[in-house]
Amino acid sequence: DVKVTQSSRYLVKRTGEKVFLECVQDMDHENMFWYRQDPGLGLRLIYFSYDVKMKEKGDIPEGYSVSREKKERFSLILESASTNQTSMYLCASSYFKRGSGELFFGEGSRLTVL
Amino acid sequence: AQKITQTQPGMFVQEKEAVTLDCTYDTSDPSYGLFWYKQPSSGEMIFLIYQGSYDQQNATEGRYSLNFQKARKSANLVISASQLGDSAMYFCAMREALTGANNLFFGTGTRLTVIP
Repeated sequence: DVKVTQSSRYLVKRTGEKVFLECVQDMDHENMFWYRQDPGLGLRLIYFSYDVKMKEKGDIPEGYSVSREKKERFSLILESASTNQTSMYLCASSYFKRGSGELFFGEGSRLTVL
Repeated sequence: AQKITQTQPGMFVQEKEAVTLDCTYDTSDPSYGLFWYKQPSSGEMIFLIYQGSYDQQNATEGRYSLNFQKARKSANLVISASQLGDSAMYFCAMREALTGANNLFFGTGTRLTVIP
């Protein structure tokens, strides 16, 4: 079974702190994604990566950065957390142009910024 | 314009009955894929079913079927014989081939509650 693991299920941080959200997948997927989920807004794409050291902005990249130094790991970084970044963050991975291309998701990281 | 529209914030269904969750999409790409995901209260997103834009038949996976009406740009999810465990958020999503990437655009979701 595909496994996408997010390092923390719940985090509480203070405004201005630097936050790292880690995601690891074990299926050798080329693509990895970070979404945030907010009530009434669905899932919105922050960043994605289709290869090591490659990254592309999604719909809402402001205030975030990412790192992909190894194929299996994709990190989301909040350089200076703000209260409007309180949200559920979902990491996902998929094959590149193989099969239906469905995304496999981690369990999510619920971040609260005080 | 929204790429995926789910107009039902919440739906109720009696156990053992069938329910249809609505999804309409907007794209000018002739090649696209449509997905449905389930999100229980535990938070994980579970892939349910996929429909390709060129697929002739409506997709089915067990109790899930996708009512694909291409001309109307709709991709409704039908759940037959509802079970209590079907209570969850359901998201419709689309991938467009022209973007070159595999990211999905998601709707805002429908919360389904199955009543015993």
